[in-house]
Amino acid sequence: DADVTQTPRNRITKTGKRIMLECSQTKGHDRMYWYRQDPGLGLRLIYYSFDVKDINKGEISDGYSVSRQAQAKFSLSLESAIPNQTALYFCATSDSRGGEQFFGPGTRLTVL
Amino acid sequence: QKEVEQNSGPLSVPEGAIASLNCTYSDRVSQSFFWYRQYSGKSPELIMSIYSNGDKEDGRFTAQLNKASQYVSLLIRDSQPSDSATYLCAVNNRGNQFYFGTGTSLTVIP
Repeated sequence: DADVTQTPRNRITKTGKRIMLECSQTKGHDRMYWYRQDPGLGLRLIYYSFDVKDINKGEISDGYSVSRQAQAKFSLSLESAIPNQTALYFCATSDSRGGEQFFGPGTRLTVL
Repeated sequence: QKEVEQNSGPLSVPEGAIASLNCTYSDRVSQSFFWYRQYSGKSPELIMSIYSNGDKEDGRFTAQLNKASQYVSLLIRDSQPSDSATYLCAVNNRGNQFYFGTGTSLTVIP
């Protein structure tokens, strides 16, 4: 089984809709991250969490919110989706030393 | 100034040649450096990590770190068509946040 899973893998939605992307991990890592990737812009950090009670904004948090339901679960919400949020979204985890990050398979989100 | 900068490429090399990928970073106190490979539409996968000055070799891959010059590179020897991908440089800034470069696209020509 994959160590970091994301659901859904693909999603098409309409402008103004609320959508949630979910991430689960079995690696036992404390730290979890949400990134979006756009062509030519690389990976940009949206939010990160170092434990269940710790949530931090990243580089591009506007329009997004997160919830860390448990050590193993970290969800990303778009309260009112807009077309420029169309992107590939990745969840990642790392241990408490801040070593390498392990990525989930990604969610391709299209907002029409 | 971006935290991590890479040449976007594309970089093309013939099969069997050495591919050289470069990355610079802005924060002098950065401690950890990583190279990820990403195939189109797939998630990044770690191929090398390096923490101290000098070279680190793993099979056909060699990472080189020069903290004084704030420079990290990746050499791929005996390049294969399967190495064709985008290579992302990442820097861990004091253990709190990762910063990724925009990636260098590599094509290995058979």
